[in-house]
Amino acid sequence: KAGVTQTPRYLIKTRGQQVTLSCSPISGHRSVSWYQQTPGQGLQFLFEYFSETQRNKGNFPGRFSGRQFSNSRSEMNVSTLELGDSALYLCASSLREDNPFSFARTGELFFGEGSRLTVL
Amino acid sequence: GQNIDQPTEMTATEGAIVQINCTYQTSGFNGLFWYQQHAGEAPTFLSYNVLDGLEEKGRFSSFLSRSKGYSYLLLKELQMKDSASYLCAVRPPNQAGTALIFGKGTTLSVSS
Repeated sequence: KAGVTQTPRYLIKTRGQQVTLSCSPISGHRSVSWYQQTPGQGLQFLFEYFSETQRNKGNFPGRFSGRQFSNSRSEMNVSTLELGDSALYLCASSLREDNPFSFARTGELFFGEGSRLTVL
Repeated sequence: GQNIDQPTEMTATEGAIVQINCTYQTSGFNGLFWYQQHAGEAPTFLSYNVLDGLEEKGRFSSFLSRSKGYSYLLLKELQMKDSASYLCAVRPPNQAGTALIFGKGTTLSVSS
């Protein structure tokens, strides 16, 4: 079974530019979450999408946005890049379902390898 | 908001046992998770605790005390491949989703 696929794996941008990252979840997973990982702050939650709807949003500025398509693939976009946006952006898929008593509440996340963004 | 504390680094030798502690604020809690992340790789799920007590899974065990806001990950019979970062994460209250709050991770180095 194929894992979570993120593209591109590495990219370099300059301040003020914008970037779009893509994530294909594990087949059958309808939830896609995005996390930012930096040495100083660790893993921080950006947002979660489920059935094309944003279900949760972390404490990031509006420059960070995302969307999910009908095939569960997701993209996140960062506009007006700043130096501090340099990070590893991780996508995770899970079997989250609307039923809060389902097994999926265990929150097992399957992470992709990440997209490493460097802003110069 | 939630604050999660875990040691930054730990060292141990092959075959030994190591315990990685994690403390969190008890005001908001809906499940505690441990993930393992090897350098340059994606985090992988290790364990989940929502009730007090010990959960054992092979060489790895995780313990939770909700009243104390405390968890630990116990690794037995350490192997070189266990050298990695171990991430403690908490799911906030009233959440059934994937918005986990992660600690900054404990880097474990296993030597021969």
